[in-house]
Amino acid sequence: AQSVTQLGSHVSVSEGALVLLRCNYSSSVPPYLFWYVQYPNQGLQLLLKYTSAATLVKGINGFEAEFKKSETSFHLTKPSAHMSDAAEYFCAVSENYGQNFVFGPGTRLSVLP
Amino acid sequence: EAQVTQNPRYLITVTGKKLTVTCSQNMNHEYMSWYRQDPGLGLRQIYYSMNVEVTDKGDVPEGYKVSRKEKRNFPLILESPSPNQTSLYFCASSSTVGRSEAFFGQGTRLTVV
Repeated sequence: AQSVTQLGSHVSVSEGALVLLRCNYSSSVPPYLFWYVQYPNQGLQLLLKYTSAATLVKGINGFEAEFKKSETSFHLTKPSAHMSDAAEYFCAVSENYGQNFVFGPGTRLSVLP
Repeated sequence: EAQVTQNPRYLITVTGKKLTVTCSQNMNHEYMSWYRQDPGLGLRQIYYSMNVEVTDKGDVPEGYKVSRKEKRNFPLILESPSPNQTSLYFCASSSTVGRSEAFFGQGTRLTVV
């Protein structure tokens, strides 16, 4: 069965600092991996996805993530945090095309001035 | 514009009063699903549908019903709501052709008193 863990339910960084949000997954087959962002009172918006092409995936708003099979990880990074990045971030995994998405518990990112 | 539309956005109801939350997508997606989001638990799948007239239970189906009579619509029905169903609900759709991500509605915040 698939599962996703996200280390740290709440992460705080200063504006301009590196953002690192951690995601580890378990899957019996090579997975498809996703990062979503949720702003207050809104639905989930796709940041980026890994679909077995390049292991370093670039997404919107300057975010990127690297798939590391040996570590079963898909950590999300951004070199310089902006106030507008404050939101909740969810990592998700799917073993099948467009089906059965399993989400992690989420990490709330706060950006301090 | 490609979108998933949920209604209503906010709903307060009383215990035992049947309600329906509607969900419609305009992307001709085969796969649709309902999630509930609770603090610290991320998104948990309630029901999903692979296509018209094909539905199945997710991780937390108790107290919910769904139907898929048309490809674009996937309503969530609470026959007898209880306070433990107070939550934020999301409908999502995705294509089972290719490496599709899930597209989410804006969410329905339900309060059962």
